[in-house]
Amino acid sequence: SAVISQKPSRDICQRGTSLTIQCQVDSQVTMMFWYRQQPGQSLTLIATANQGSEATYESGFVIDKFPISRPNLTFSTLTVSNMSPEDSSIYLCSATGGFDQPQHFGDGTRLSIL
Amino acid sequence: AQSVTQLDSQVPVFEEAPVELRCNYSSSVSVYLFWYVQYPNQGLQLLLKYLSGSTLVKGINGFEAEFNKSQTSFHLRKPSVHISDTAEYFCAVSDPAGGSYIPTFGRGTSLIVHP
Repeated sequence: SAVISQKPSRDICQRGTSLTIQCQVDSQVTMMFWYRQQPGQSLTLIATANQGSEATYESGFVIDKFPISRPNLTFSTLTVSNMSPEDSSIYLCSATGGFDQPQHFGDGTRLSIL
Repeated sequence: AQSVTQLDSQVPVFEEAPVELRCNYSSSVSVYLFWYVQYPNQGLQLLLKYLSGSTLVKGINGFEAEFNKSQTSFHLRKPSVHISDTAEYFCAVSDPAGGSYIPTFGRGTSLIVHP
């Protein structure tokens, strides 16, 4: 199974700044996703990271706020732009080899905005 | 679009007692079903999955789940829990035949095992 390294594990940021989260997979995977998880709540899909093209965003999430890159099959970044306290959350990266296969998750980035 | 309902937000249980965590999904012809566990400060990891075949699925750490098509349920069970099973459990469903390739997650059930 794939091992996912996500960095940073946590950060405290000032409002109005931006933070880029990195996700590295130890093997080539077909799909990579970015989720947001509010404390004590379920996962909300932000977008599917597409290799070499623009990410596919879910309703309520836009590229200007959450730009995503995926330059190859094993690496992706999510940027949280112009942060506000409402962006305080856990951000999770996941990857899978196919829709009939389980997703593998990173340990998450715990983000707090002051 | 698929929806997933985990009716119990929190399930307290004593150590060595049996437990069942409930998961229901909206109806479809064929679905893929998953249970994940999330320990504090970690990401989710797969407990078990159902794609097709036998309706009773065995997973890691002594967990099992039963797919019930008529009741559109996929409840998770363990006959005897340990303190270390205290965690958040998520049910997830995808519906490739219906176009929902990416799994939809339930809101999670917090399993709290007391000594």
